[in-house]
Amino acid sequence: AQKVTQAQTEISVVEKEDVTLDCVYETRDTTYYLFWYKQPPSGELVFLIRRNSFDEQNEISGRYSWNFQKSTSSFNFTITASQVVDSAVYFCALSGRNAGNNRKLIWGLGTSLGVNP
Amino acid sequence: GAGVSQSPSNKVTEKGKDVELRCDPISGHTALYWYRQSLGQGLEFLIYFQGNSAPDKSGLPSDRFSAERTGGSVSTLTIQRTQQEDSAVYLCASSLLAGGPDIQYFGAGTRLSVL
Repeated sequence: AQKVTQAQTEISVVEKEDVTLDCVYETRDTTYYLFWYKQPPSGELVFLIRRNSFDEQNEISGRYSWNFQKSTSSFNFTITASQVVDSAVYFCALSGRNAGNNRKLIWGLGTSLGVNP
Repeated sequence: GAGVSQSPSNKVTEKGKDVELRCDPISGHTALYWYRQSLGQGLEFLIYFQGNSAPDKSGLPSDRFSAERTGGSVSTLTIQRTQQEDSAVYLCASSLLAGGPDIQYFGAGTRLSVL
């Protein structure tokens, strides 16, 4: 069975702090993809990153970085020097097993991040 | 269009009424998804359309829920005889399906309130 666990329900930090959002996944597939999405208060989910299972290199994009470790089935997301605009719910997702041409994402329950000034 | 468009943004209805929610995907995207997001919950998959293939309806919670996609573009999600537990935000996403699991682009959602 495929599953995504985001153990942190809510995190609150003060602006400029670094924060790491955890994501642990379960899958029996040898090829899979992992995603992070951001859902700000406006409600629209925004794609942040996609990583395939063969690429374990860490990725950095500005203040955002991702640490993918197959050995621990984790794909953690770090925001450096957080800002109030980073306040949102962050979702981790896993590409599910294909059934024909169908593709579904398996979603975690999200981590609500609040950044206070 | 520039992004995924959903209408209406908010819908209040009475229990037992039927509602229709609309999704206009990004032009050229062949795949379209509907999700439901209840308060404080993650995304619950409802249905998936891919080109002319039969849709994956495996996530529809009951036979009161149905969806169609006309001309491979606009989709309508219909909920018949609405119940209070149907209250949620209904999200639509589209993807290009260019190979490999796709990046899904989301609309802002329709917030449905069943009184």
